[in-house]
Amino acid sequence: DQQVKQNSPSLSVQEGRISILNCDYTNSMFDYFLWYKKYPAEGPTFLISISSIKDKNEDGRFTVFLNKSAKHLSLHIVPSQPGDSAVYFCAASGTGKLIFGQGTTLQVKP
Amino acid sequence: GAVVSQHPSWVICKSGTSVKIECRSLDFQATTMFWYRQFPKQSLMLMATSNEGSKATYEQGVEKDKFLINHASLTLSTLTVTSAHPEDSSFYICSARDGREQYFGPGTRLTVT
Repeated sequence: DQQVKQNSPSLSVQEGRISILNCDYTNSMFDYFLWYKKYPAEGPTFLISISSIKDKNEDGRFTVFLNKSAKHLSLHIVPSQPGDSAVYFCAASGTGKLIFGQGTTLQVKP
Repeated sequence: GAVVSQHPSWVICKSGTSVKIECRSLDFQATTMFWYRQFPKQSLMLMATSNEGSKATYEQGVEKDKFLINHASLTLSTLTVTSAHPEDSSFYICSARDGREQYFGPGTRLTVT
């Protein structure tokens, strides 16, 4: 039972354009959501988070949007840079444990 | 952000031997740490929750006698893979909780021959 889903395994965008990564969840008890960036053979790096009491959180080029009624969140990266190329995981928390999605591989082309 | 270290970063061991992996929170205290395992091109799988001063909580399907977890201080948790087998070869990652965020270590690549 996949409680957190990232339905797009990969995404390719041009440098300077917007990257939108999507994530869906099924458990309405989740109240905190996080996005991580990961390179091969490295641990995930925390990017940005959002509490369920908010619908938007912004940090520099990264913005996370939360639609609780749709149980959907998205990460916007603008402008995208080649260094953003990595695997992005969304994660959800309700009891302290994180439940991860499958990840989306983002490729930003110069 | 907070810094979490892992040691060793990679290890090769023979079948039947035990391997210990350390996870340290360098600039904050963590009463709760987590151990994950990642197979190639797959998501992170939570193995267990490590609580300082108490027994770890294991996820369903994870053998607690095989994956021994000790959280002896607020900055150190260890994972010992006992009697390692080739199928234990994987990428092991720890994280430490600071508030609602979790910060991850760089991971340990374990290869069992």
